[in-house]
Formats: sequence, structure tokens, C-alpha cells
Amino acid sequence: AQKITQTQPGMFVQEKEAVTLDCTYDTSDQSYGLFWYKQPSSGEMIFLIYQGSYDEQNATEGRYSLNFQKARKSANLVISASQLGDSAMYFCAMREGWLYNTDKLIFGTGTRLQVFP
Amino acid sequence: DAGITQSPRHKVTETGTPVTLRCHQTENHRYMYWYRQDPGHGLRLIHYSYGVKDTDKGEVSDGYSVSRSKTEDFLLTLESATSSQTSVYFCAISETLRENTGELFFGEGSRLTVL
Repeated sequence: AQKITQTQPGMFVQEKEAVTLDCTYDTSDQSYGLFWYKQPSSGEMIFLIYQGSYDEQNATEGRYSLNFQKARKSANLVISASQLGDSAMYFCAMREGWLYNTDKLIFGTGTRLQVFP
Repeated sequence: DAGITQSPRHKVTETGTPVTLRCHQTENHRYMYWYRQDPGHGLRLIHYSYGVKDTDKGEVSDGYSVSRSKTEDFLLTLESATSSQTSVYFCAISETLRENTGELFFGEGSRLTVL
């Protein structure tokens, strides 16, 4: 079973509008972490934001915020005031195994976001 | 930027030949990972290492082996390359994930084409 599910292969948003990229996860761990990475067309992986499972507040980093709903096992990325430079592939990821000294990140399949003027 | 170097960055090879990709880090980070990226599949973990000579399999480890004899180097070997192993391979490193957010730092990727 997929542990990280991103159901939106592609999304379009107009410049200056907000957009939400969906991510749901599956884990039996009590302690875990959720991440979002951006991959522009140049190919590098850029870390955007992190949310710990015990964090009570939703994480925010500039124009990025993570809408964390623990009971629903969702960790959606919200980008406010979209810019043309936000056009990229976005990956949701979950950290698992930290209790067992085998920490690793598992990634979703990604959502391609295109921002148009 | 984290000091991670992947080599080679591009390689074209033929089916059945052995291939080794190298990941070198200058950060002294404990954890090292190999992922492959394919359209529609995102990044899938091949193997990872949590210390020198300590490695474990990821979700798509068949056909791949790894070795880590030094903290700074993590080698990924395809013993007999197949066309299904045509992909972009990313190396990543991290400090001990329990003690921080566990952010991964990625190399620039190695594009492998198996003909």
C-alpha cells in the first residue's frame, strides 16, 4: 500500500492566487515527520517545509504553509500568492523508522504545478 | 549548500554491463541514501546507509547493491544493467534524523541510460 499519496498529477494556478497541493499518508508510527520538496525543471531538490507529528501548530515558511490534519492523515501544502517561479514538481514525503535507527524518507509521486500569468 | 558530489552525472551503457555510481559527501553526515526518479513514480528509495558498513534495502532494491566503506562515500552498483534501470539517480544525505527535522540534502542527480 502506498504510504504517501498525492492524487493531483497536475495543477494550474494563476499568478498571485493561492493553491493547495494535497498529500495523505499512512503510518502506524506515533512519531513521524512530513516534508515538502520542490523540484524545478533544472532538477535539483529543494526542501520547503517540515511538520512533526507532535507539532501543535501548522508549519509555515514564508509563502508556504502546511495544513496538517492528523486525524485525517493529511499534510497539504498551501502556497499563497503564487509566482511564476513556483512552477515545478512538488513532492510530499514522510520520515519513518526513526525509532529503529533506520530513518528514511518515503516520497509520493509528485504534483506538477504550473503558474500562469 | 551541502557538499554532495555524484559521479558520473551522465552515463550511457549497454544491457548486461556493470555500472557503479558514486556519491561523495564532505559533511560527515551519518545517513546516506540512493533514490531513483521515474515519471509517474516520484522518488523511490533503492538502498540507504545509517553508518559505515551499515546498509539496508529500500522499496526497489532488486538488481542493485551498495557499499559504504567510508563515511564520505556511498556506492551504488548495478551488477548487470537492464533497460528498466534507465533512470535519474539521486544521492541524499542527512544528519541523525532523530535530532533534527531530518531534512535530506540531495546531490544533483546522475542520469543513466541503458540501451
